[in-house]
Amino acid sequence: GENVEQHPSTLSVQEGDSAVIKCTYSDSASNYFPWYKQELGKRPQLIIDIRSNVGEKKDQRIAVTLNKTAKHFSLHITETQPEDSAVYFCAASNGGADGLTFGKGTHLIIQP
Amino acid sequence: GAVVSQHPSWVICKSGTSVKIECRSLDFQATTMFWYRQFPKQSLMLMATSNEGSKATYEQGVEKDKFLINHASLTLSTLTVTSAHPEDSSFYICSATRLAGSTDTQYFGPGTRLTVL
Repeated sequence: GENVEQHPSTLSVQEGDSAVIKCTYSDSASNYFPWYKQELGKRPQLIIDIRSNVGEKKDQRIAVTLNKTAKHFSLHITETQPEDSAVYFCAASNGGADGLTFGKGTHLIIQP
Repeated sequence: GAVVSQHPSWVICKSGTSVKIECRSLDFQATTMFWYRQFPKQSLMLMATSNEGSKATYEQGVEKDKFLINHASLTLSTLTVTSAHPEDSSFYICSATRLAGSTDTQYFGPGTRLTVL
């Protein structure tokens, strides 16, 4: 089955700086890669996703890049703000009726 | 749009009892619903996939006789934890994909925190 590795497990950045979180996946059949933000005790919130026919996607301060050949994808957050502090999860699936395989999560800490 | 609810939000039960958790898609019809489990400070792990009117597909290592899933309609799936034990204490989260439109995006419920004494 699919295996998703996520790094780093903890990331501390100064407010206003950029943050990058990286994930690799093992199943070349995976074609859907979402990123979720989860605050303590709450549901995961989809912040951005990318499909395998696209190499990059951007939504305001958030961007995701995908390298299918290397089987890795990354989340980029620019101009970080205190409210960006949370745990971020990457995930992968074959799409449609397949469940998501999640990475282990990155605790992002924004230092004021 | 695309709201998923869960009930109850938290439950405490005695060891050996059964607990039922409901997952509803409030404003859309769901082709598929998924059940995940999340232990404290860990990631989400897929337990099972359910489609309306058919048997659920369980992930390796998940006991189907312990975690009973019923998907009676396009808006409701239930997870029953039978003969619960303290090690079943966890955060159970469901998600659903739309019948129409983008079928990849999963919309998550708010989760149910189960504590087994």
